Amino acid sequence: DVKVTQSSRYLVKRTGEKVFLECVQDMDHENMFWYRQDPGLGLRLIYFSYDVKMKEKGDIPEGYSVSREKKERFSLILESASTNQTSMYLCASFTSGQGLQETQYFGPGTRLLVL
Amino acid sequence: GQNIDQPTEMTATEGAIVQINCTYQTSGFNGLFWYQQHAGEAPTFLSYNVLDGLEEKGRFSSFLSRSKGYSYLLLKELQMKDSASYLCAVKEGGSQGNLIFGKGTKLSVKP
Repeated sequence: DVKVTQSSRYLVKRTGEKVFLECVQDMDHENMFWYRQDPGLGLRLIYFSYDVKMKEKGDIPEGYSVSREKKERFSLILESASTNQTSMYLCASFTSGQGLQETQYFGPGTRLLVL
Repeated sequence: GQNIDQPTEMTATEGAIVQINCTYQTSGFNGLFWYQQHAGEAPTFLSYNVLDGLEEKGRFSSFLSRSKGYSYLLLKELQMKDSASYLCAVKEGGSQGNLIFGKGTKLSVKP
């Protein structure tokens, strides 16, 4: 079974703090994604990476950056946290070429509260 | 533009059948996924359709019509534990696996 883990389930930070959210997958997947999920807005893609040291902006990259130094690890960074970044953050991974059963596998999520 | 529509909420009775519809307009199409998400938890994969027709998996079935940009998820013999949000997502194309998600349908199953 694919396992995607995230460093924290719950996190409380103050406005202006630098925040690191870590995601690790154990299935050698090339592609990794960071989403945020808010009521009424659904899942929105922040950034994704299709290889080590590669990154692409998603739909809402502003206020975020990412790092992919190793294939299994994809980090989301909030350079200066703001209250409007309070959200549920979900990491996912995906591998190419798996045919009809391909899908994204999600981590358990990190619920971030910025005060 | 890209648009995926599904109803915001639905209510059904335990033991009944419910159909959750999804319509999509995307610039490309390379498969449609359904996910289940219980409150406070991550989405979990339910089904994948890339060809027209019905895919059955136990109590859950998913249907796709590419010409109509339409899919539905059918849940039979509803159980209380089926109360969750159901997310429709389209893979536009390419090998990176990017999915466009609908906002989800919150299903409440009542006794």
